[in-house]
Amino acid sequence: QVQLVESGGGVVQPGRSLRLSCAGSGLSLSNNAIYWVRQAPGKGLEWVAVISYDGSNKDYADSVKGRFTISRDNSKNTVYLQMNSLRAEDTALYYCARGGGAAAGPAFDYWGQGTLVTVSS
Amino acid sequence: QSALTQPRSVSGSPGQSVTISCTGTSSDVGAFNYVSWYQQHPGKAPKLIIYDVTKRPSGVPDRFSGSKSVNRASLTISGLQAEDEADYYCCSYAGSYTPDVVFGGGTKLTVL
Repeated sequence: QVQLVESGGGVVQPGRSLRLSCAGSGLSLSNNAIYWVRQAPGKGLEWVAVISYDGSNKDYADSVKGRFTISRDNSKNTVYLQMNSLRAEDTALYYCARGGGAAAGPAFDYWGQGTLVTVSS
Repeated sequence: QSALTQPRSVSGSPGQSVTISCTGTSSDVGAFNYVSWYQQHPGKAPKLIIYDVTKRPSGVPDRFSGSKSVNRASLTISGLQAEDEADYYCCSYAGSYTPDVVFGGGTKLTVL
C-alpha cells in the first residue's frame, strides 16, 4: 500500500523534546519536498515546516522557528522533525505530506495518518 | 502572515451546488496560481481535491471545481452528495519567505 507513515508522537512535559519520523511505504520521497502540517484538537490545519527534495532548503513557521528542525535521510526514505523546547500550544496531530506530484506549486498529494503530540505537565 | 479567510460553514441539499470562498492577499492567493483544496472527513487525514487553482487529481469527481479571481479562490461542488459532508481547507503558496504556504481556517460543509 502506498502511504506515508508517521511515528514518534506521545505525551511529553513542557520544555522537553520529541523526534517525529515520516517514512514512505511503497512511495519514494527522494524527489519531493516534504511538509509537516499540524492540527490542534478541533482546529484547522497549520503548516509547520518544509524540506526540499535534497535537504538543501528548509523553512519553518514563525511559531516553531528556532525550536524545531526538519531533516531527511533519502537512503532511508524518511523525513524527521526534531521538536525541542515543546510548549502546550504545540499539542496537535502532526501530519507529514508529500509536496508536488503533478502540481506545479506546493500541493500535498499524499498524507500520513498523523501522530499525536501532547505537551502537558 | 494571517491564515486565508474561509466561511465557517456552508450547507446545501443533495443535488444542489455550493461554493466555498477563500480570501487571501496580493502576497499569496493573488500572487500565485498555486491554490489547493483539501477535503477532510472526521478522524481522517486531509485529501487533495484541487491543485494549481483548477486542476483535479486522478480519481476526484468532476463535480469538484476550482477558480480564482484576484485575491479570492473558490471551490464549487455541484450535484451535492451525502458523502461530500466534510471540512474543506484551502491552501496557497506564499512565496519563498516564511511562511512557505498558508492555510484557510476551514469550512464545514453540511449536506441537508
